[in-house]
Amino acid sequence: ILNVEQSPQSLHVQEGDSTNFTCSFPSSNFYALHWYRWETAKSPEALFVMTLNGDEKKKGRISATLNTKEGYSYLYIKGSQPEDSATYLCASTSGTYKYIFGTGTRLKVLA
Amino acid sequence: GAVVSQHPSWVICKSGTSVKIECRSLDFQATTMFWYRQFPKQSLMLMATSNEGSKATYEQGVEKDKFLINHASLTLSTLTVTSAHPEDSSFYICSAPPIASSTDTQYFGPGTRLTVL
Repeated sequence: ILNVEQSPQSLHVQEGDSTNFTCSFPSSNFYALHWYRWETAKSPEALFVMTLNGDEKKKGRISATLNTKEGYSYLYIKGSQPEDSATYLCASTSGTYKYIFGTGTRLKVLA
Repeated sequence: GAVVSQHPSWVICKSGTSVKIECRSLDFQATTMFWYRQFPKQSLMLMATSNEGSKATYEQGVEKDKFLINHASLTLSTLTVTSAHPEDSSFYICSAPPIASSTDTQYFGPGTRLTVL
């Protein structure tokens, strides 16, 4: 993998459902993987920064895992709420502050 | 904490005019700020790195004479799109990592939508 790729591009889930998205990134020269939550007309909000293989981080109902050997990270949302509706971005860095972004996963939670 | 503002949030201009976009870190200082551009259905792409008190560094394919960057203080960077043309219409967003941060997390402004007629 040469670029950062996210899947799916978009999804709709019902309120209360749990969901997850994938971020694939180049595993060579890896330093950190960042997840952001981006609501329309607002600044992207930093969710997690992950560096170690096997890392798992949690923030409320949102959690993320990291596999640096195979180059992927999963973001999980448990019991989705309408306020979780946003675009979720991941970005990979090689330690130079230069972010390589994916195109994002657009989540819509239906009440 | 770690709030970044951007102004304006949207701008429409005529072809051939110049547009200035401001990026401010409100509650922290940043020696480095970054400018990204996003075209429809594409990812955020780094355009240039703005360095306080020195010249900006541009990514390959970004014209430095067209996208002028000034980083005059530890809280303000400006991007000026000179002689804008319709193909410059895009979403521009800035980011900054706080000085002495323990991670390389960047904090983003809300972005500026530029439409060139």
